[in-house]
Amino acid sequence: GQQLNQSPQSMFIQEGEDVSMNCTSSSIFNTWLWYKQDPGEGPVLLIALYKAGELTSNGRLTAQFGITRKDSFLNISASIPSDVGIYFCAGPYSGTYKYIFGTGTRLKVLA
Amino acid sequence: DGGITQSPKYLFRKEGQNVTLSCEQNLNHDAMYWYRQDPGQGLRLIYYSQIVNDFQKGDIAEGYSVSREKKESFPLTVTSAQKNPTAFYLCASGMGGGYRDTEAFFGQGTRLTVV
Repeated sequence: GQQLNQSPQSMFIQEGEDVSMNCTSSSIFNTWLWYKQDPGEGPVLLIALYKAGELTSNGRLTAQFGITRKDSFLNISASIPSDVGIYFCAGPYSGTYKYIFGTGTRLKVLA
Repeated sequence: DGGITQSPKYLFRKEGQNVTLSCEQNLNHDAMYWYRQDPGQGLRLIYYSQIVNDFQKGDIAEGYSVSREKKESFPLTVTSAQKNPTAFYLCASGMGGGYRDTEAFFGQGTRLTVV
């Protein structure tokens, strides 16, 4: 099945550093969703984006809906140890009830 | 509180047995979904349902079955035909493909282990 491509696949960073990750698709999306999954738990919605070019923040997290509508970006500022986890992007196929998920970016923060 | 509840959190099954995972939501969402997640992997769609009494196969439906008799409930049965059932199973609900309110929300997951 089709998936969204996320990069990087994994990253180790030092506490306090900023983090950037992105998600790309060959198809246009009308909505971009970003989730975080802690080990052994279900993904939790972080940010939802609805308009091309939109920039939305949630605390230290900032996400952007790409102008082409084929990509999205997530930034985490001043990372802390509890930022550890897997970050997924996702989007619903336009006009359908089906969600497509990215391959995930695994973040590890070194104290 | 509105939300989506999966049970049980952990489930053990003997080889050759069918087992049913529960998923209930009180978010009044039309659509519900089942995903499978293997260690270090992303989410793969098993089945989804857009409306009561209707459901569609996802990418990896073989060896699984579902029902949608009520809007709130979407149980998943892992049958003996599923050759490698040990995995983390996630249920989600959402409104799907419009321009707003299209977020999907997840349960806490069920970890199934075949012994």
